[in-house]
Amino acid sequence: EVQLVESGGGLVQPGGSLRLSCAASGFTFSSYWMSWVRQAPGKGLEWVANIKQDGSEKYYVDSVKGRFTISRDNAKNSLYLQMNSLRAEDTAVYYCASERRTIAVAAYFDYWGQGTLVTVSS
Amino acid sequence: SSELTQDPAVSVALGQTVRITCQGDSLRSYYASWYQQKPGQAPVLVIYGKNNRPSGIPDRFSGSSSGNTASLTITGAQAEDEADYYCNSRDSSGNPWVFGGGTKLTVL
Repeated sequence: EVQLVESGGGLVQPGGSLRLSCAASGFTFSSYWMSWVRQAPGKGLEWVANIKQDGSEKYYVDSVKGRFTISRDNAKNSLYLQMNSLRAEDTAVYYCASERRTIAVAAYFDYWGQGTLVTVSS
Repeated sequence: SSELTQDPAVSVALGQTVRITCQGDSLRSYYASWYQQKPGQAPVLVIYGKNNRPSGIPDRFSGSSSGNTASLTITGAQAEDEADYYCNSRDSSGNPWVFGGGTKLTVL
């Protein structure tokens, strides 16, 4: 059974930092691109960042560039998101999700974690 | 970067058919995928590719695409289908991925 389990969320003051983790099991983690997707309270889904299988390529939404860093440890089947200089607008549930790119024009997110809530407030 | 546009809310009578649409330039190049999200839960993939359902998704869910518009159709909507639905696709003009704003489906 595929499982993605996020952790590391919590309450942090503006300007602070948090590191999210996502533990993967039940599939060959090292074979997949992985993403972080967030959802602000009462809002829609927003893609945040992703990382290639070997970590050699990383992409970010403009609003987090320079503040967030995505990384992975394939030996530990784990995905991370280091979040610095946090702002109130970063408040959201953060999901990790696996990307299926078997067919380039028909890619999708096949598995999602349960999410971890990040609240940025003083 | 591209945008995907969805109607904010749609309603359907129990047992009837409903179509949820998603429009955007990226859909001329990429297939949409569709996700169902119920309150307090993570999104669940319901349709991907041309018209594929993951294991466990009822066959009343189907997908189609034409030009810059993708559609999710629920044939014979059930009470348990009441949820938010999001479309998503790859994007070649900016960010790797783009999501629609979501459609809240109410089953009457």
